[in-house]
Amino acid sequence: TQLLEQSPQFLSIQEGENLTVYCNSSSVFSSLQWYRQEPGEGPVLLVTVVTGGEVKKLKRLTFQFGDARKDSSLHITAAQPGDTGLYLCAGGGNTDKLIFGTGTRLQVFP
Amino acid sequence: EAGVAQSPRYKIIEKRQSVAFWCNPISGHATLYWYQQILGQGPKLLIQFQNNGVVDDSQLPKDRFSAERLKGVDSTLKIQPAKLEDSAVYLCASSFRRPANTGELFFGEGSRLTVL
Repeated sequence: TQLLEQSPQFLSIQEGENLTVYCNSSSVFSSLQWYRQEPGEGPVLLVTVVTGGEVKKLKRLTFQFGDARKDSSLHITAAQPGDTGLYLCAGGGNTDKLIFGTGTRLQVFP
Repeated sequence: EAGVAQSPRYKIIEKRQSVAFWCNPISGHATLYWYQQILGQGPKLLIQFQNNGVVDDSQLPKDRFSAERLKGVDSTLKIQPAKLEDSAVYLCASSFRRPANTGELFFGEGSRLTVL
């Protein structure tokens, strides 16, 4: 069974701080997606990474796929209250299944 | 472009009662997913359809859950009889590209079920 563990589970920070969220697995994935989910809404895709070592930037968010394609990280620079939400990584394998991680709940206070 | 539509948004039932959720995916999306999300956790895949055929239902509790996608468009998810541990948000998603490992999943707002 493929599992994706995210850490930390909860993160509460002040506006302007930096943070990193980790997504780890013992399984290899062919692709890794990151979603953000706000209360009462469905998850929304932020990025997809497919190559080991790949780094993608989305404004203040930096995503990295591990060289072995077993892990990923999300770094947010100068967090804003609008970044508040549940961050989910999701791994795709050789099948059509997309396995979601355990989630990281981020709260950014003004 | 209209998004994924789900109904009802909220449902409260007693244990052992039945409930049904409806999903209308984005037009042209062949793949449809039902996920169960316990509060604060990541979504767990219940069932995945490709057109009107089932691709994966390995984590669907088949003794009480059923799902269908007639004509390869709308889908319904039914729970009968409901248990307390079924309290969760049921998310429907659809995607255009197959396989899902490179395609974006578009989610509905979810149906929140409370079982008393």
